[in-house]
This record gives sequence, structure tokens and C-alpha cells, in this order.
Amino acid sequence: EVQLVESGGGLVQPGGSLRLSCAASGFTFSSYRMNWVRQAPGKGLEWVSYIDVGGTPIHYADSVKGRFTISRDNAKNSLYLQMSSLRAEDTAVYYCVKEANYGFHYFDYWGQGSLVTVSS
Amino acid sequence: EIVLTQSPATLSLSPGDRATLSCRASQSVSSYLAWYQQKPGQAPRLLIYDASNRATGIPARFSGSGSGTDFTLTISSLEPEDFAVYYCQQRSNWPLTFGPGTKVDIK
Repeated sequence: EVQLVESGGGLVQPGGSLRLSCAASGFTFSSYRMNWVRQAPGKGLEWVSYIDVGGTPIHYADSVKGRFTISRDNAKNSLYLQMSSLRAEDTAVYYCVKEANYGFHYFDYWGQGSLVTVSS
Repeated sequence: EIVLTQSPATLSLSPGDRATLSCRASQSVSSYLAWYQQKPGQAPRLLIYDASNRATGIPARFSGSGSGTDFTLTISSLEPEDFAVYYCQQRSNWPLTFGPGTKVDIK
């Protein structure tokens, strides 16, 4: 059974930093492209970042470019999102998302989400 | 950036009704469009990929159509568990983008 378990969310002050982790199991992590998608409270879905199987290429949404860094450790079956210079508008549930076999950049498995709240 | 527009914002229907949801792209995405269902407190679930292909385990009452800029998700006969929010998503260009969602609620 595919499982994606996020951790590392919480309350952080504006301008602060936070690192999200995602532990993957139930599939060959090193063979799948991975993403982060977020959802602000009561709002829709926003794609955040993508990383290919070997660590490159990487893509970011303009809203986080230069502030967030995605990475992965295939030996540890883990995906990460380092977030810095956090703003109130980064407040959201962050989902770790696995890409489907069907084609690039469709998402077939999602974690339960990790809530990040940016507030003073 | 490709902007996806979904209509209507809310669709009020009864169980057994047919639901027709629309997604329009600001430029052609070919057939590179997916549909997701999200229920309150849950992560989204992939329903349709490449505009018209059902994902594994998705019931046949869900169907997708369209290409280019205009797409439709049809639920042929609403079951109680189908009342949810539906999002479209394009993978044609970076950045990947989602539509704002259509809420299907009980009339």
C-alpha cells in the first residue's frame, strides 16, 4: 500500500523558516517523480514544486521561487521542502504528492497533508 | 501561465441527477488535462487523466471529454458519495495549474 506521510509543519513567524519532510513507502520511491501541492484554508489547490527521480530537473511556482527548495533522498525514501522567508500567504496544508504512471505530472497518491501557519 | 476557469462555481443537484462540469483553459493544453475529486478533510483523488481516461478504480459513471481549451467532466448519475469539490489540472506547460474548483452539493 502506497503511503506518504508528511511532517514538520507548524506555526512560524513571518520571515521564518520551516522544513517539511515526506516519508514514502509501498512503492519504489526512486522511480517516481514527486511534487508538493498546497491548499490554503478554505481555498483551492496550488502546485508548489516538482522534482524528477534523480533530483533534477526541478520546477517551482513563481510564488515560492527563490524562497523554497525541494529535494529528495532516494536512499531514505524521503522528499523534503525547505521553506524560508515565509509569508502569511504561505499558510496552507502542504501535500506530498506522487506522480502517476499514466503520464508526467498527474498525481495519483497524496499524503494526508501538513499544516503550515505563518503568523506573528 | 495557463489559467484554468471552471464553471459553474457551485452545482446543486439531487442523487440520480446528471452532473456536467466545465473547465476552460486560457490557451490550448492539447489533451493534457486531469480531474480530481476532493471531499472535506480529505486529500484529492485522481479521477480522469489525459482528458478522457479514467484512473484505476474510478467508476464508469465518471467520464471526461474535450481537447484544446474546453473540457467537460460528466457524472452520469450522482451517487451520495459524489457530492464534493472537483478540480481540473493541466500538465501541458510549467507551471502546473489547477482550476478554482466546482462544488457539487445536494439540492
